[in-house]
Amino acid sequence: QAVVSQEPSLTVSPGGTVTLTCDSSTGAVTRGHYPYWFQQKPGQAPRTLIYDTSDKHSWTPARFSGFLLGGKAALTLSGAQPEDEAEYYCLLSYSGVGVFGGGTKLTVL
Amino acid sequence: EVQLVESGGGLVKPGGSLRLSCSASGFSFTNAWMKWVRQAPGKGLEWIGRVKSKPNGGTTDHAAPLNGRFTISRDDSQNMLYLQMNSLQTEDTAVYYCSYYRDTSGQHFDYWGQGTLVTVSS
Repeated sequence: QAVVSQEPSLTVSPGGTVTLTCDSSTGAVTRGHYPYWFQQKPGQAPRTLIYDTSDKHSWTPARFSGFLLGGKAALTLSGAQPEDEAEYYCLLSYSGVGVFGGGTKLTVL
Repeated sequence: EVQLVESGGGLVKPGGSLRLSCSASGFSFTNAWMKWVRQAPGKGLEWIGRVKSKPNGGTTDHAAPLNGRFTISRDDSQNMLYLQMNSLQTEDTAVYYCSYYRDTSGQHFDYWGQGTLVTVSS
């Protein structure tokens, strides 16, 4: 099975910008992997922020954006807020079989 | 109101079996694509598998590392999603979530159950 890699932890200042990435052991991440990004806070179920690389749900704050960057999926947070402190997971699809990344713990400090 | 309620979790001995259920309401379950995700204590998310809606073929995909021990099924007449888990191992201890994430038309959603805890221990 493919391995999906994310930065274990990142820190961003309030109001700052940070980019999280999602890498695949099988090669470049493409739109065909239908990248998803989830946010999870302690004690809560995950919540989808981004699906299909860059599409947002109605509740996804505008400060989050998804895209492909240098062969990886990426999630940029522009204008970080204290409530954005959470664990972020990407999910890639390999011919219908999903694989999560290990997650990035984002600290807003 | 969309509701997903998992049940069937609990304590099971290594080598045992368990069937989790996910009761769905508030949306067209027949047209729903559903998935199961789990999270071991203090660990990350793990994708277990998904089932497409019957209009889209009703096929299932399962995570390879599970080695065929887990099987997803659905009963559209009862609005129920199931996860049959066999040959359980201690590393299967986790909270198991069902999720409604898209429909037949390709519209995306994001609904999750509250999770059900499965503990595999002797």
